[in-house]
Amino acid sequence: DQQVKQNSPSLSVQEGRISILNCDYTNSMFDYFLWYKKYPAEGPTFLISISSIKDKNEDGRFTVFLNKSAKHLSLHIVPSQPGDSAVYFCAASATGSNYQLIWGAGTKLIIKP
Amino acid sequence: DSGVTQTPKHLITATGQRVTLRCSPRSGDLSVYWYQQSLDQGLQFLIQYYNGEERAKGNILERFSAQQFPDLHSELNLSSLELGDSALYFCASSVGVAGGRETQYFGPGTRLLVL
Repeated sequence: DQQVKQNSPSLSVQEGRISILNCDYTNSMFDYFLWYKKYPAEGPTFLISISSIKDKNEDGRFTVFLNKSAKHLSLHIVPSQPGDSAVYFCAASATGSNYQLIWGAGTKLIIKP
Repeated sequence: DSGVTQTPKHLITATGQRVTLRCSPRSGDLSVYWYQQSLDQGLQFLIQYYNGEERAKGNILERFSAQQFPDLHSELNLSSLELGDSALYFCASSVGVAGGRETQYFGPGTRLLVL
């Protein structure tokens, strides 16, 4: 039972354009969401997070949007840069579950020059 | 560099064997988490230790065990290995206990291949 789904295994975007990565979840108890980025041969690194009391959080070129009614979140990267090429993981946690992170399978983002 | 170290980087072993993976957290971090990532899958949470005590357990098999030592480094022991245990094993650390609410810092992982 996949509680966090990233339905696009890969995404290719032109440098300078907007990258939009999507994530859906099924557990309505999730109240905190995070995005991590992973380069080959490295561990994931934290990118941005959002609490369920917000619908948007912005950090520089990265913005995460949360649509609770649709159980959907998205990560926008504007403008996309070559260094953004990586695998992006969406993760979620719920209060009362020891805050365990439930992870999606990841989306590989490729930025084309 | 996240400050989290994991050894070894690669491990090749045979079915039925036992291995130990080691993790040193970032300086000052009290929580250590272990995750398993099988091919093209998301990370599966295995277990969390906080300041030497087991804090939370995920989908960890009975054949697997972990501990956190007084110097806060942690070891993950995998025994009676099966082919399906082949995966990337990540260790992460954080300052507090609420791993899903605070930034976790990940090591580079140990790639385990069971033949």
